[in-house]
Amino acid sequence: EVQLVESGGGLGQPGGSLRLSCAASGFSFSNYEMNWVRQAPGKGLEWVSYISFTGSTKYYADSVKGRFAISRDNAKNSLYLEMNSLRAEDTAVYYCTRRVVVPSTGNAFDVWGQGTMVTVSS
Amino acid sequence: DVQMTQSPSSLSASVGDRVTITCRASEYIRTSLNWYQLQPGKAPKLLIYGASRLQTGVPSRFSGSGSGTDFTLTIRSLQPEDFATYYCQQSFSTPPFTFGQGTKVEI
Repeated sequence: EVQLVESGGGLGQPGGSLRLSCAASGFSFSNYEMNWVRQAPGKGLEWVSYISFTGSTKYYADSVKGRFAISRDNAKNSLYLEMNSLRAEDTAVYYCTRRVVVPSTGNAFDVWGQGTMVTVSS
Repeated sequence: DVQMTQSPSSLSASVGDRVTITCRASEYIRTSLNWYQLQPGKAPKLLIYGASRLQTGVPSRFSGSGSGTDFTLTIRSLQPEDFATYYCQQSFSTPPFTFGQGTKVEI
């Protein structure tokens, strides 16, 4: 079964750090680009970060640029999000998601984890 | 960055109704438009990709159309399990892969 399982969420202090992990199974992890997407309480979905197959290319939303770092370990079938300088507005459910590319058609996030809740509060 | 505007932000409907949600991009995105369903406590679910391609396993009552800047998600004959929030997302070129603000479909 194709699966993504996030972990590492919890309570973080303003200005503090948290590290999220995402364990992939049931597919060849190194063949897929990966992303993090979040949903703050009562808000919509917000794309957070992207990483390429080998990790050589990374993108970030302006709201997290310079504070968050995405990485992956293909040998461990794992995706990570290092979150630093946390702010109250980072409070959200964080989803790990796989990006699929269909030639001549497009690309989309076809597999999602259940999410992990991050709460930033003193 | 491409901005996505969905309408309406919410709607009330009944089982069996036909429901239409629209999404407009701030610039040309070809057919690089996806639709997702989000239900409380569940992982988001991909419904439509490439503006009109039905994801495997998604019921055929869901359909998508449009190209360029204007897109539509249609649910033909709404079912109880379809009450959820729906998001469009553009996937044209490089990130950010912007989402619309969502449309909540309620009874």
